[in-house]
Amino acid sequence: DTGVSQDPRHKITKRGQNVTFRCDPISEHNRLYWYRQTLGQGPEFLTYFQNEAQLEKSRLLSDRFSAERPKGSFSTLEIQRTEQGDSAMYLCASSLIVAAETQYFGPGTRLLVL
Amino acid sequence: AQSVTQPDIHITVSEGASLELRCNYSYGATPYLFWYVQSPGQGLQLLLKYFSGDTLVQGIKGFEAEFKRSQSSFNLRKPSVHWSDAAEYFCAVGLYSGGGADGLTFGKGTHLIIQP
Repeated sequence: DTGVSQDPRHKITKRGQNVTFRCDPISEHNRLYWYRQTLGQGPEFLTYFQNEAQLEKSRLLSDRFSAERPKGSFSTLEIQRTEQGDSAMYLCASSLIVAAETQYFGPGTRLLVL
Repeated sequence: AQSVTQPDIHITVSEGASLELRCNYSYGATPYLFWYVQSPGQGLQLLLKYFSGDTLVQGIKGFEAEFKRSQSSFNLRKPSVHWSDAAEYFCAVGLYSGGGADGLTFGKGTHLIIQP
């Protein structure tokens, strides 16, 4: 079990640029989640996938955000036309589809928009 | 919608002393409850979770938590803290549908400082 991995760990970009983050879940985990954590706050849920299907999206996920999990394994989160308010830690988690199963979190990608 | 309140932003405890971190939730039914810990540069690590049954749950690193339905609380405790316990602690609630977990709702966290 190698755990949830995320790439890159850090990203600095200029306002208006597009960025893409990748998450590799624990193998055999069917569910994959994205969260955003700003400084001094707890993580906020963005969206989750069951296999390749995106089942829920938070109202926090504006039109500039898009997430995919094309083959039901890794996932990407893209932010278009970044804004300074997008600066945050983006966390990925995965779990099995089993009642009451734990979500395991990756180390996160820290985004800074200048 | 469910919500989680952690009323203490910062808590300072002497090494070896006991610890209690408070968590209150708001939800129409009994949600699933979690405590996670986050150390600098580290991902969120699950300390313990409650779904049903015994209201006192044991976790890793000597932590325990007690679910009190009447108070809508799920407070985290440790009888004797170690300097390595210094970290950010998050309480979270979750819903389950289709057999798996939906997105978790987290509190804002409590920053634990350990005094020598």
